[in-house]
Amino acid sequence: AQSVTQLDSQVPVFEEAPVELRCNYSSSVSVYLFWYVQYPNQGLQLLLKYLSGSTLVESINGFEAEFNKSQTSFHLRKPSVHISDTAEYFCAVSRGGAQKLVFGQGTRLTINP
Amino acid sequence: DGGITQSPKYLFRKEGQNVTLSCEQNLNHDAMYWYRQDPGQGLRLIYYSQIVNDFQKGDIAEGYSVSREKKESFPLTVTSAQKNPTAFYLCASSSQGQIYEQYFGPGTRLTVT
Repeated sequence: AQSVTQLDSQVPVFEEAPVELRCNYSSSVSVYLFWYVQYPNQGLQLLLKYLSGSTLVESINGFEAEFNKSQTSFHLRKPSVHISDTAEYFCAVSRGGAQKLVFGQGTRLTINP
Repeated sequence: DGGITQSPKYLFRKEGQNVTLSCEQNLNHDAMYWYRQDPGQGLRLIYYSQIVNDFQKGDIAEGYSVSREKKESFPLTVTSAQKNPTAFYLCASSSQGQIYEQYFGPGTRLTVT
């Protein structure tokens, strides 16, 4: 069975500082990996995805994530955060051919001015 | 605009009552999903449906029921058998070819007292 572990439940950072949100997964087969973002009192939005090819994937708002197969990780990074990045971030995994996603517990990113 | 609507945004019920949460999509997606979100636990899959008139149990289906009579609609009933129904409920959909890229509604917060 697949599982996803987000190692930090909360991450507070100062505005314009870099941030890394950690995600590890367990699966014995090839997987697809995702980061979703949830702004307060809203549904989730897809932030970025890794399906195949380049192990470094980027979003339009400056986030990036790197698929590391040997460490079974898919950490999310941003070099300089903004107040508007305050949200909860969910890592998710899907086994190739599976019909559903498995989500991590979420990491709440808080940006302090 | 295409999207997913969930109604109502907030719902209050007395213990022992069944309640139905609405989910409608106009994205022409085949697959639809219901998740439950509790603080610190991420999203847990309740039910999903890949096609009209067919649905499968997710990880926490006990105490819930669904129907899929139309492609656009996937209502969730929280029955009195659900021991801890107070939660934030999210509906999602995806196209058949991209099961893993899910689009989420804004959610319904159910409070049972």
